[in-house]
Amino acid sequence: DGGITQSPKYLFRKEGQNVTLSCEQNLNHDAMYWYRQDPGQGLRLIYYSQIVNDFQKGDIAEGYSVSREKKESFPLTVTSAQKNPTAFYLCASSTGTAETQYFGPGTRLLVL
Amino acid sequence: GQSLEQPSEVTAVEGAIVQINCTYQTSGFYGLSWYQQHDGGAPTFLSYNALDGLEETGRFSSFLSRSDSYGYLLLQELQMKDSASYFCVRRGFQKLVFGTGTRLLVSP
Repeated sequence: DGGITQSPKYLFRKEGQNVTLSCEQNLNHDAMYWYRQDPGQGLRLIYYSQIVNDFQKGDIAEGYSVSREKKESFPLTVTSAQKNPTAFYLCASSTGTAETQYFGPGTRLLVL
Repeated sequence: GQSLEQPSEVTAVEGAIVQINCTYQTSGFYGLSWYQQHDGGAPTFLSYNALDGLEETGRFSSFLSRSDSYGYLLLQELQMKDSASYFCVRRGFQKLVFGTGTRLLVSP
């Protein structure tokens, strides 16, 4: 079955620690995206990538980093510079036109 | 600007019809999408309008008026499972901008 997977479902971060969220898709989509959602809010774009080995900052990129070494994979690292990382993180993919984005199940990040 | 405005909450009863309105800023506008998100879940695509007019998909319809910078999502024959958040989403060049969402509560 084609789709997007994210792991883990829940992630706990200690102070000063970097953590990496995984996102994999087998839809053969060129574009991939990372969003952050806070309770009762909409989705805010962190980073996006239109093609392998290229990515752009979204609206709230500070404290985050990404890589796009393979078409299928777009991992997100939440660095220690992100002072308020507790949120629901959603990965999505689309064809290049971005008319329709397909979302993974999300990862909930909590700070210990 | 890229902001979108939609009501924060709408309530309705089973079997009723509800309309969720959305206004948006026009700079770099390509089209308007609607996504549904149940509590704790991921957003799922409902519809997309690039041109003026009405798009119908089963019980859901979406409308766009580019001249008025306005669109709406119409949900008919409401069911309990329609209780969810609905996001108005502005499509720009290479990316989407999500509104803050409308929470729809359907009661028996």
